[in-house]
Amino acid sequence: AQSVAQPEDQVNVAEGNPLTVKCTYSVSGNPYLFWYVQYPNRGLQFLLKYITGDNLVKGSYGFEAEFNKSQTSFHLKKPSALVSDSALYFCAVRDPSGSARQLTFGSGTQLTVLP
Amino acid sequence: EAQVTQNPRYLITVTGKKLTVTCSQNMNHEYMSWYRQDPGLGLRQIYYSMNVEVTDKGDVPEGYKVSRKEKRNFPLILESPSPNQTSLYFCASSLQGIVGNTIYFGEGSWLTVV
Repeated sequence: AQSVAQPEDQVNVAEGNPLTVKCTYSVSGNPYLFWYVQYPNRGLQFLLKYITGDNLVKGSYGFEAEFNKSQTSFHLKKPSALVSDSALYFCAVRDPSGSARQLTFGSGTQLTVLP
Repeated sequence: EAQVTQNPRYLITVTGKKLTVTCSQNMNHEYMSWYRQDPGLGLRQIYYSMNVEVTDKGDVPEGYKVSRKEKRNFPLILESPSPNQTSLYFCASSLQGIVGNTIYFGEGSWLTVV
């Protein structure tokens, strides 16, 4: 079975500082990995995904994520945080070799960027 | 504008009173799905549909029904709601399967069962 872990419920960072939101995964095959962001009272918005190729993936709003197969991680990063980045972030994984069709989500990390 | 539309956005109902949350997408997507979001648990899949007339259970299907009579619509039915179904519900869609394809989410439906 596939699973995703987001070890931090809450991450606080000062505006202008780099931010990292951690994600580790477990799948039996090569993973497809996704990051989504949820702003208050809104649905989830797609940020970026890793399917294959370059381990560093660039996405929307200046975010990027690095796929690390040996550490089974897919951490979300941004060089300089903005107050407007404050939101709930979800990592998700899909095992393309599995028979299941669903996307498995982590429990979410609340990012707060302090002015 | 490409979107997934859910209704109602907010609903308070009583235990046992049947309700339906509608979901419609205008992107001609084959795949549609329902999730519920609960604090500390992230999103858990309730049901999904690979195409018209094809539905399958997700991780937490108990107490829910779905139907897929048309490609664009995927309603979620709670035949006899209970307080443990109080949650935030999301409908989602994507192109055939989700292998590598981006999933698009609706704005969410807050459901309270008293």
